[in-house]
Amino acid sequence: TQLLEQSPQFLSIQEGENLTVYCNSSSVFSSLQWYRQEPGEGPVLLVTVVTGGEVKKLKRLTFQFGDARKDSSLHITAAQPGDTGLYLCAGAESGYSTLTFGKGTMLLVSP
Amino acid sequence: DTGVSQNPRHKITKRGQNVTFRCDPISEHNRLYWYRQTLGQGPEFLTYFQNEAQLEKSRLLSDRFSAERPKGSFSTLEIQRTEQGDSAMYLCASSGLLREGYTFGSGTRLTVV
Repeated sequence: TQLLEQSPQFLSIQEGENLTVYCNSSSVFSSLQWYRQEPGEGPVLLVTVVTGGEVKKLKRLTFQFGDARKDSSLHITAAQPGDTGLYLCAGAESGYSTLTFGKGTMLLVSP
Repeated sequence: DTGVSQNPRHKITKRGQNVTFRCDPISEHNRLYWYRQTLGQGPEFLTYFQNEAQLEKSRLLSDRFSAERPKGSFSTLEIQRTEQGDSAMYLCASSGLLREGYTFGSGTRLTVV
């Protein structure tokens, strides 16, 4: 069974601070995705990474895929209250047709 | 296309009753997924369709749960003889290629009382 561990589980910061959240597994993934979910809504895709060592930037968000394709990180620069939400990582192992999700990191950014 | 649509948004039912949820995926997507999410947890896989064929079903899925996708378009998820432990958010998603990611609906919040 694929298992994705996310840390920290909960993060409360002030507007303007930087933060990094992590997603780790013992499995190798053919691709890994990050989603953001707001209360009462479904998750929304932020990015997909497929190559070991890959770095992708989306405005103030930087995503990195580990060289061995077992882990990933999400770094947010100068966090804003609008970044508040549950950040989920999800991986697809080679030969699998579905995504396995981690439990998520709940981020709260206060003004 | 307006994205993935799920109905109803909320459902309150008494224990022992049957409930049915509907999902209308993005029309170009041939893959459809059902997940369940409880408070403080990530989405947990339930079942997967490619077109009308149900290709994968979680071993955790009780036989009280059944899903269909007639004609490869919309899908329904039925829970028979609901239990309080079935209370959760039921999420539907669709996709083209897996690496392109899922598009989720807003979910159906089920409360069993």
